[in-house]
Amino acid sequence: DTGVSQDPRHKITKRGQNVTFRCDPISEHNRLYWYRQTLGQGPEFLTYFQNEAQLEKSRLLSDRFSAERPKGSFSTLEIQRTEQGDSAMYLCASSLDLAGGEQFFGPGTRLTVL
Amino acid sequence: KQEVTQIPAALSVPEGENLVLNCSFTDSAIYNLQWFRQDPGKGLTSLLLIQSSQREQTSGRLNASLDKSSGRSTLYIAASQPGDSATYLCAGYNNNDMRFGAGTRLTVKP
Repeated sequence: DTGVSQDPRHKITKRGQNVTFRCDPISEHNRLYWYRQTLGQGPEFLTYFQNEAQLEKSRLLSDRFSAERPKGSFSTLEIQRTEQGDSAMYLCASSLDLAGGEQFFGPGTRLTVL
Repeated sequence: KQEVTQIPAALSVPEGENLVLNCSFTDSAIYNLQWFRQDPGKGLTSLLLIQSSQREQTSGRLNASLDKSSGRSTLYIAASQPGDSATYLCAGYNNNDMRFGAGTRLTVKP
């Protein structure tokens, strides 16, 4: 399978714990995006990488959130001191290196904070 | 700031009907508009991408149009099938930021 993959698919954690998600984009895609989706809503943009550079961050990305893409391939999204309001589906997408390139999404990681 | 609205929020049709899903956006300076399908609890599947210079795109039974001047896009589904039941999302891409509508939940009844 050469699509976007995400791991884990589901994560249940207690409030206050740290969690980390991984995204592996399509291999030839230089752009990588993170989104968050809550029930009944469309995805909301969190951040975007071009190769290893994080070029855009939404105001939704509080200081408890950090994303990395150290070698320009896979990316990680870490949430520190999780809160119940962080419960959502976290989606990753990738695209070719051009503005407005078609984005392809992974299956998402569903986070539940108890 | 781009805002995307989708109407209706939910739609139920009998199998075989042709249908239109609507998407409106506030900022006409978009690079592209993309339509997605999402099944419950799953990720998004790209259906059609319309670049800002294009008017429409077609794939099989799907046709999407884009009118930047009016801030509207439509997704036309011909001869609907029960397997088309899903949530359909549109998204406008501006300045490295893609904004989504809340989606239209489509149910096609056999």
